[in-house]
Order: sequence, then structure tokens, then C-alpha cells
Amino acid sequence: AQKITQTQPGMFVQEKEAVTLDCTYDTSDQSYGLFWYKQPSSGEMIFLIYQGSYDEQNATEGRYSLNFQKARKSANLVISASQLGDSAMYFCAMREGGRGAQKLVFGQGTRLTINP
Amino acid sequence: SQTIHQWPATLVQPVGSPLSLECTVEGTSNPNLYWYRQAAGRGLQLLFYSVGIGQISSEVPQNLSASRPQDRQFILSSKKLLLSDSGFYLCAWSGGSWPDTQYFGPGTRLTVL
Repeated sequence: AQKITQTQPGMFVQEKEAVTLDCTYDTSDQSYGLFWYKQPSSGEMIFLIYQGSYDEQNATEGRYSLNFQKARKSANLVISASQLGDSAMYFCAMREGGRGAQKLVFGQGTRLTINP
Repeated sequence: SQTIHQWPATLVQPVGSPLSLECTVEGTSNPNLYWYRQAAGRGLQLLFYSVGIGQISSEVPQNLSASRPQDRQFILSSKKLLLSDSGFYLCAWSGGSWPDTQYFGPGTRLTVL
């Protein structure tokens, strides 16, 4: 079963608009973490934001916020006031609980294009 | 601050040739290290991870291998490349404590002809 699902292969948004990128996950663990990464055309994966399963507040980092709905198992990324430089692939990833090195399971990504 | 390097940035190799990709991390000690592969237009697939020198865990059976000869050095190798080995290879490191966020290097684009 797919653990991370990103249902939007591509999105087109006007500059300065807010955009929401969807991510749903599947886990039976009580302790887990959700991550969002940005991958511009250069290829490097850039860490954006993290949400822990026990965090009561939605995570925020500058223009990025995470709309975490635990009961629905969703962790959508919200980008406010989009900019041309936000055009990139965006990946949602999950780490399940435990100590030591744990793998991240990635979704298939959403390609976001910001139009001027 | 921590920095992660990968080289080469791009590589074109014939089928059957050997491979060696290198990843080094600066500014931290005893990191967890990871190798991922990304096929064109797809998500990332974890290939190997390491929690210490000489400690390698393999996630996917394949003709690739990994080694960690030094604390902050991670090497991905193959004795004979296949066409299916083409892809974008990303190295990452993490600090080992929760949430253990992984930080990625710039990647190596490998084309096997």
C-alpha cells in the first residue's frame, strides 16, 4: 500500500496567490514525522517544513505552513503569496517512529508552476 | 554550518563499466548517511543508509553497493552498470536525533548508454 499519496501531478497558480499542495499518508504508528521538500530544476532537494504527529500546532516556516489534519491523515503544504521562484517539484515524505536512522518514504511529487 | 558535497555532478558511462559516486559531509560528526535514486519525474527511492563507519543497510536488492570508509564519507559503487541504473543519485545526511531531518546534496545525474 502506498504510504504517501500526492494526488496533484501538476498545479498552475498566478503569482501572489496562495497555493495548497495535498498530501495524505498511511501509517499505523502513533509516532511519526511529516516533511515537505522542494526540488527546483537544479535537482537539489531543499527541506521546507516538518510536522510531528504529536505536535498540536500546525508548523509554520515563513511563507510555508502545514495544514495537519491527523484524523484525516493529511498534511497539506500551504504557500502564501506565491513567487515565481516557487516553481518547482514539491515532495511530501514521512518518517515512522523509532530510534536510529529511519528511511523517509516519499510521495510522487507535485509540479508547481507559478505564472506571472 | 553543515555542508554536503557530491561528485561528479554528471556522469555518462557505458553499460558494463564500473561506477563510483562520492559523498562527503562537513561540519558535523557521526551523521547518518543515505543514498537515494530518483528516476525521471518520480519520487525518491532509498538505496542504502549508514549509521556509522562500516555499517551499511541495503533497502533494495540491485547491482549497486555502498561503503562508508570514513565518518563523513559515503560511496556508491557498481562493478558493472546496467541501463536501468540511469537516474539522479542523491546523498543525504541527518543528525540522528528526532525528528532526524535529512538534508540533501546537489546530486549526481548518471546516464548509462
